[in-house]
Amino acid sequence: IAGITQAPTSQILAAGRRMTLRCTQDMRHNAMYWYRQDLGLGLRLIHYSNTAGTTGKGEVPDGYSVSRANTDDFPLTLASAVPSQTSVYFCASSDSTTDTQYFGPGTRLTVL
Amino acid sequence: GQNIDQPTEMTATEGAIVQINCTYQTSGFNGLFWYQQHAGEAPTFLSYNVLDGLEEKGRFSSFLSRSKGYSYLLLKELQMKDSASYLCAVMDSNYQLIWGAGTKLIIKP
Repeated sequence: IAGITQAPTSQILAAGRRMTLRCTQDMRHNAMYWYRQDLGLGLRLIHYSNTAGTTGKGEVPDGYSVSRANTDDFPLTLASAVPSQTSVYFCASSDSTTDTQYFGPGTRLTVL
Repeated sequence: GQNIDQPTEMTATEGAIVQINCTYQTSGFNGLFWYQQHAGEAPTFLSYNVLDGLEEKGRFSSFLSRSKGYSYLLLKELQMKDSASYLCAVMDSNYQLIWGAGTKLIIKP
């Protein structure tokens, strides 16, 4: 693994289903983030984690949950998907020296 | 509230120079970032400014004026591969990034 990986690349999901988006980094960054990106809007922060074992809510946390059991993994769970959660989801991690965020390739999620 | 403004779309000619502006109003300031995002891909880091002035990195330069809440990204010797969206983001007092909606840059031959 080099950098940040996300899985799946894309997914079509029925409304009401549970879904977990996976994110793994191998850069030993302490901080990790989940964003959603919708057309015409800036990236919006869903949840973040400053270090393993801690998480925090971002701008749009409702309907999403995260966990941070270790440094490398930061999964995002939609407990009961709704069509408004159709979006592209990006995971990122940051270098504590410069605060620069590095992004995974994204997951394109469609909720029908 | 917190706000980042940048033009929605700009068009420029291959070989020319283009300046993409960004103005911001945020609760606190801990740096300004520019990212490039090609269609269907992830954002990639371009530049970081925390002090006033110009930071040059090859064909790309970024300027910051904290007193004016203003930054610009300058792209020189434009190439077709520079066609992308350019995202401006400000790190606020909580060290969270506040993102603009992005400027789609179209390069014409």
